[in-house]
Amino acid sequence: GQNIDQPTEMTATEGAIVQINCTYQTSGFNGLFWYQQHAGEAPTFLSYNVLDGLEEKGRFSSFLSRSKGYSYLLLKELQMKDSASYLCAVQTGANNLFFGTGTRLTVIP
Amino acid sequence: DAGITQSPRHKVTETGTPVTLRCHQTENHRYMYWYRQDPGHGLRLIHYSYGVKDTDKGEVSDGYSVSRSKTEDFLLTLESATSSQTSVYFCAIRPQGGDTEAFFGQGTRLTVV
Repeated sequence: GQNIDQPTEMTATEGAIVQINCTYQTSGFNGLFWYQQHAGEAPTFLSYNVLDGLEEKGRFSSFLSRSKGYSYLLLKELQMKDSASYLCAVQTGANNLFFGTGTRLTVIP
Repeated sequence: DAGITQSPRHKVTETGTPVTLRCHQTENHRYMYWYRQDPGHGLRLIHYSYGVKDTDKGEVSDGYSVSRSKTEDFLLTLESATSSQTSVYFCAIRPQGGDTEAFFGQGTRLTVV
C-alpha cells in the first residue's frame, strides 16, 4: 500500500517563506509531484522530482530525499493568491499517482 | 489548457440507481485516471487506464467499474449508487508515465440521496 503524509493546515504571512513537508512510504517509487488546488477547482501541476535534490521554479522550489522518503515544497515571497491546498503525489512503478490528503495553506496580510 | 472535459459537472441521483460519468480528452493521451476527492482523504485513485481496453483497479475500486473503448473516452460507472459515493470525481490524463504531468478535468460533483 501507499502511505503519504502531509500537515493538514498551515498559515503564513504575505511576503514570507513557507515550507510544506511530505513524507511517504510506497512500493515502487518512481517520482514525486506537487500540485496546487484552489477551492472548487482542479489540481494544477507545480513540480516534479525523481532524483535527490532541489528543483527550483521561480518562487516555488521542491526538494526530494529518496533515502528518507521525504519531500518539501518551498514557497517564497508569499502572495495572497497562494492560498490554496498543496498536494503531494507519489508515482509508483506502474505510472500511477497516489496523493496525500493535501495541505491547506492560508496566507494572511 | 489540456483538452479534457468531464460530464456531467453536477448530478444528484437516488440510492440504488446506476450512474455513468464521462471523461473526454482531445489530446490523444495514453493514460487516464479516475479519482474521488473527499474531505480528510484527499484524492484517491479509483481506476486507471493505460490504453484502449486496458484498465486496472486503484485503491478504492469497490462499487465502481470503468470502460475505455476509444482513446478519447474513459467512463466511470457506479453500478448501484450509495450515499458513501457522494463525492467530487476528477478525471486526469497523461501522455505517458515518467516525468509527465497529469492534467485534471474540472470535476463532477455527485450527490447520492
